[in-house]
Amino acid sequence: AQSVTQLGSHVSVSEGALVLLRCNYSSSVPPYLFWYVQYPNQGLQLLLKYTSAATLVKGINGFEAEFKKSETSFHLTKPSAHMSDAAEYFCAVSESFVRGGSNYKLTFGKGTLLTVNP
Amino acid sequence: EPEVTQTPSHQVTQMGQEVILRCVPISNHLYFYWYRQILGQKVEFLVSFYNNEISEKSEIFDDQFSVERPDGSNFTLKIRSTKLEDSAMYFCASRASSGNTIYFGEGSWLTVV
Repeated sequence: AQSVTQLGSHVSVSEGALVLLRCNYSSSVPPYLFWYVQYPNQGLQLLLKYTSAATLVKGINGFEAEFKKSETSFHLTKPSAHMSDAAEYFCAVSESFVRGGSNYKLTFGKGTLLTVNP
Repeated sequence: EPEVTQTPSHQVTQMGQEVILRCVPISNHLYFYWYRQILGQKVEFLVSFYNNEISEKSEIFDDQFSVERPDGSNFTLKIRSTKLEDSAMYFCASRASSGNTIYFGEGSWLTVV
């Protein structure tokens, strides 16, 4: 069964500092991995995804994530935080894509709330 | 950019009442989903729908829940007799047949009192 653990329910950084949001997954097959972001009063927006190609994935707004199979991790980073990055970030895993099933169900982590201090 | 739209954005209902949450998926998408997030908890899968039938449902999706695609554009989630523990944000999502990205709506916040 697939699962996701996001370490740290709340991360606070200063503007211009490195952002590091941690995600570890458990999956019985090589998974597809996703990061979604939810800005206040908005829906879930896809930031980036790993689909078994390059292990370093670049997404929108300067974010990137690296798939590390040996560590079962998919941590999200951004070199320099901006005030507009304040949001909740969700890591998600799907085995279904790999298995070729039609459901492509996502399993989410609990989310990490990122606050950016001026 | 095409998006998934949901109505209402917020609904307050009394325990035992029926609620219908509405969604308009992205127009060329064929796979539809409902997820929910109870305050402070994970986003959880409820149900997936394809070709006018449920393709998978979670253990949360019991007989109180139903989904329907009443026409070519809407996708609805009905909760027949709401309970306090149904209070949550409900997300609708859709996916194209050839894609591996699931697109989410802004959510409908349901409060059961």
